[in-house]
Formats: sequence, structure tokens, C-alpha cells
Amino acid sequence: QKEVEQDPGPLSVPEGAIVSLNCTYSNSAFQYFMWYRQYSRKGPELLMYTYSSGNKEDGRFTAQVDKSSKYISLFIRDSQPSDSATYLCAMRTMDSSYKLIFGSGTRLLVRP
Amino acid sequence: DADVTQTPRNRITKTGKRIMLECSQTKGHDRMYWYRQDPGLGLQLIYYSFDVKDINKGEISDGYSVSRQAQAKFSLSLESAIPNQTALYFCATSSGGGLSFDTQYFGPGTRLTVL
Repeated sequence: QKEVEQDPGPLSVPEGAIVSLNCTYSNSAFQYFMWYRQYSRKGPELLMYTYSSGNKEDGRFTAQVDKSSKYISLFIRDSQPSDSATYLCAMRTMDSSYKLIFGSGTRLLVRP
Repeated sequence: DADVTQTPRNRITKTGKRIMLECSQTKGHDRMYWYRQDPGLGLQLIYYSFDVKDINKGEISDGYSVSRQAQAKFSLSLESAIPNQTALYFCATSSGGGLSFDTQYFGPGTRLTVL
């Protein structure tokens, strides 16, 4: 069983829709939770990160962590065609800053 | 100019050949990493280096070797390439974080095909 599970999609939504992307994990020692965005033929780019539980908002993006359920989410409001990309969740423990465990990524397509 | 560069961007080679992938960074970071990305598997850590003299194996180091020639340069070698090493390879760097979050910055990737 993988430590981090992520639905590969693809997820296709119309422009302006609210998008929900999710990951589940099995390691209760994970403390940092990240979302990376990867455009086609590019490297992943950190979108936002959250420490421990709770929500974090950055513009149209909101990250949520529910440690009791071992479940994290990324919400995108007012989605735009430019949001079309693969979204990767990643996690790490407190002490291992170098060791990121990635989900397999969800491919998102926002239709104009 | 890009902060993290990788060469080549695409490479097709044959089974048994030796291949070197190169990574350079201008971010001044001490830490450098090599990952591979396969469909359905996400990114997996091959090797990481905290400084020029500190190199460590990651999850999937078998069949790979690395060289940290300088703070800014980190190369990945496949001594004898095999078809299941066909993948996207990414280099990444980070500062080490200290008291702040240690963000990893990724290069654009190398698409390697082993026939």
C-alpha cells in the first residue's frame, strides 16, 4: 500500500467551477503537507504548504488538512483555464525536511 | 534565466549505455536532489546531497550513481541503462530551511528513453 494515495483523474471542469483535489495518507507522523502544481513539460512548483491540521488560504486556493482522517484537500475557487495542470500532494515528517513523499498527481483540465 | 537547469532535456539511448544527466543551480542552495517520475507513481527520491561532501541514497538508488562536482552542480549517472529506467528525471534544490520551511525548487526535467 502506498503511503500517499491520490486519484489520477483526469478531472475536467468548466471555467469558474470550484475544484476539489484530495489525498489520503497512512503515516500519522506526517506534519507538513504540500501541494505542487506541474504544467506539462515543466517541473513541479510549490503552490502552498500547511503545517499540522487546519486551513490555509492563498488567493483562490485553500488547503485543508484533517489529521484525524488522514485526508488533505486543495480547493480552487473560480477555476481558470490557466489552472489546467497536474496537482501533486506531498508530505513529510517534522524531522525529515529532505524526504518528501509524493502522491501520483491529479490531472486537472479547466474548459473555457 | 532559470534558477535550476537540467541537460539534456530529452535523451534516447540503448540498453547498456552509460548516461549522465546534469543539473546546475544559481540559487546558492546547499541541498540538491534527484527524483524520477513515472506515470501513476509520483516522484521518487533517487539521491540527495546536503553539501559537496555529503551524498546519500534515496528510496530507489539501485542502478544509479551521482557526483556533486560543486555546490551548484549535481550529476546523475546510469552506468548501464535498462528499459525500466525510462522515466522523467527531475533535479531539485533547497536551502535547508533552518527555522523556515525548506522549499524544494525543481528543474524542468529530463525525459529519458532507454530502448
